[in-house]
Amino acid sequence: DVKVTQSSRYLVKRTGEKVFLECVQDMDHENMFWYRQDPGLGLRLIYFSYDVKMKEKGDIPEGYSVSREKKERFSLILESASTNQTSMYLCASSLPPRRTNYNEQFFGPGTRLTVL
Amino acid sequence: RKEVEQDPGPFNVPEGATVAFNCTYSNSASQSFFWYRQDCRKEPKLLMSVYSSGNEDGRFTAQLNRASQYISLLIRDSKLSDSATYLCAVKGFQKLVFGTGTRLLVSP
Repeated sequence: DVKVTQSSRYLVKRTGEKVFLECVQDMDHENMFWYRQDPGLGLRLIYFSYDVKMKEKGDIPEGYSVSREKKERFSLILESASTNQTSMYLCASSLPPRRTNYNEQFFGPGTRLTVL
Repeated sequence: RKEVEQDPGPFNVPEGATVAFNCTYSNSASQSFFWYRQDCRKEPKLLMSVYSSGNEDGRFTAQLNRASQYISLLIRDSKLSDSATYLCAVKGFQKLVFGTGTRLLVSP
């Protein structure tokens, strides 16, 4: 089974703090994704990565950055946390299209971040 | 128009009922389609991929209608444990686009 893990289930931070959310997958997936999920807005893509050292902006990258130093690990960074970044953050991974016909994504358990 | 749209529900059905959800998508070039299930405060989990010919997995049937650009999920003989939010996902260029989900509540 694919396993995607995230460093924390719940996190409380203060406005202005730098926040690191870590995601690790153990299935040798090239693609990794960071989403946030808010009521009524669904899943929104923040950043994604196709390979080590590569990153692409998603739909809502403002206020976030990412790091992919190793294939299995994809980190989301909030440089200066703000209250509007309070949300559920979900990491996902998938195979690239050349290795699968459907490249479904597998999600981690999520990190519920509260910024006070 | 949103890329992927779903009726948020909730759909309230009794146990044993048949219920169907639709999901419309705007990009006619989309190639891959999925249904995910998400329980309260949990991550989405893949329920089934949607193939061009339609596919069935036990009580669940997924269909794709390319002409009208929608996918559907049919659940037969609903169980209490089917209560969840069902997200559709459509593969656009490079990434999956998710609907906001349809909430299903199955009551005794």
